[in-house]
Amino acid sequence: QKEVEQNSGPLSVPEGAIASLNCTYSDRGSQSFFWYRQYSGKSPELIMFIYSNGDKEDGRFTAQLNKASQYVSLLIRDSQPSDSATYLCAVIAGGSNYKLTFGKGTLLTVNP
Amino acid sequence: DADVTQTPRNRITKTGKRIMLECSQTKGHDRMYWYRQDPGLGLRLIYYSFDVKDINKGEISDGYSVSRQAQAKFSLSLESAIPNQTALYFCATSDFGGEVFFGSGTRLTVV
Repeated sequence: QKEVEQNSGPLSVPEGAIASLNCTYSDRGSQSFFWYRQYSGKSPELIMFIYSNGDKEDGRFTAQLNKASQYVSLLIRDSQPSDSATYLCAVIAGGSNYKLTFGKGTLLTVNP
Repeated sequence: DADVTQTPRNRITKTGKRIMLECSQTKGHDRMYWYRQDPGLGLRLIYYSFDVKDINKGEISDGYSVSRQAQAKFSLSLESAIPNQTALYFCATSDFGGEVFFGSGTRLTVV
């Protein structure tokens, strides 16, 4: 079973809309959850992290975590064409090694 | 200067050749990683090191080896390159349980 799963997309939204990106994980002991953005041919960059159940907001981005459902999501409000990228969900599983595991990513396209 | 520097940025090599990808960091992190990225397969961990004396295999270590020469340096070697090792390779660093910082990547083509 894949440890971190994401819908590969592509997800297409119009400019100004809300984009919703979803991620599920298999290890119930997972501690920390990250969202990375990766433009084509570039390295991933961190945009959000969340450790506790609930919502965490940072500007136009909101991360949502539900540990009971093993589900983490990223909402992007007022989507802009510059948000078009692949979004990678990453999870640090429980245990002592704190190794980061990535999902395959969701390609988001924001249409002007 | 970049916090995580990878060299070379691009490399074309022939099947059977030995090649080394180098990574250095100025963030002072103990933890360093090598990832491989292929279209549709996401980022896959090759090797990771939590300190100079600690080297661990990731999910796809076959055909690769690493060396942690110092806290700041972590190199990846392909002893005998094969075409299915053509990919984008990323070095990364982190502190304990924290954000992972990536280098700019090395695009490797094996012909």
